[in-house]
Amino acid sequence: GESVGLHLPTLSVQEGDNSIINCAYSNSASDYFIWYKQESGKGPQFIIDIRSNMDKRQGQRVTVLLNKTVKHLSLQIAATQPGDSAVYFCAEKYQGGSEKLVFGKGTKLTVNP
Amino acid sequence: GAGVSQSPRYKVAKRGQDVALRCDPISGHVSLFWYQQALGQGPEFLTYFQNEAQLDKSGLPSDRFFAERPEGSVSTLKIQRTQQEDSAVYLCASSPRAAGSYEQYFGPGTRLTVT
Repeated sequence: GESVGLHLPTLSVQEGDNSIINCAYSNSASDYFIWYKQESGKGPQFIIDIRSNMDKRQGQRVTVLLNKTVKHLSLQIAATQPGDSAVYFCAEKYQGGSEKLVFGKGTKLTVNP
Repeated sequence: GAGVSQSPRYKVAKRGQDVALRCDPISGHVSLFWYQQALGQGPEFLTYFQNEAQLDKSGLPSDRFFAERPEGSVSTLKIQRTQQEDSAVYLCASSPRAAGSYEQYFGPGTRLTVT
């Protein structure tokens, strides 16, 4: 069915390390991808997005990589901090038609001090 | 500026009761979305509006779910005859539909518990 999956449900890293969160998507017709961070009891918060005509985009401490050949998306967080601990979701938008986002199940990132 | 707000933040309903969940989007945002998030899962799309027009309601799980946005601003998600499987967090998001971006800004959600 339509879904965006994740390779790992949990990820634990040491403060200061770099984190990589992976996401596999199934719809080759998707033209837009987005990463959200969700802390307990809060709504998802935008981190970074990328269009399908790009393969890399950088923000502040974050980089998103898109590999359309293998339908893989990753989020890299540099110098991970305790405040980065949260659940991270990738989501995709299908080309044309509805602007709905299709979310994966999420990866829980824990940053150890 | 103010973000997306939702009310109530928590709602407990007895099975069979009707509930209404409110969303106030960011001022000026054209698109408004409703998602349902079960515990430990990612948000799942329910429906969305562009101004007052409901363009996609493919995610509404049954005809007990109804959403409206009559003046293109505030939206209400109504669930009739609630069932236990309706227990979830209901998230609202809005988007300015700026060129090239489909970023959605989410509210804190309404946690619905059906007993």
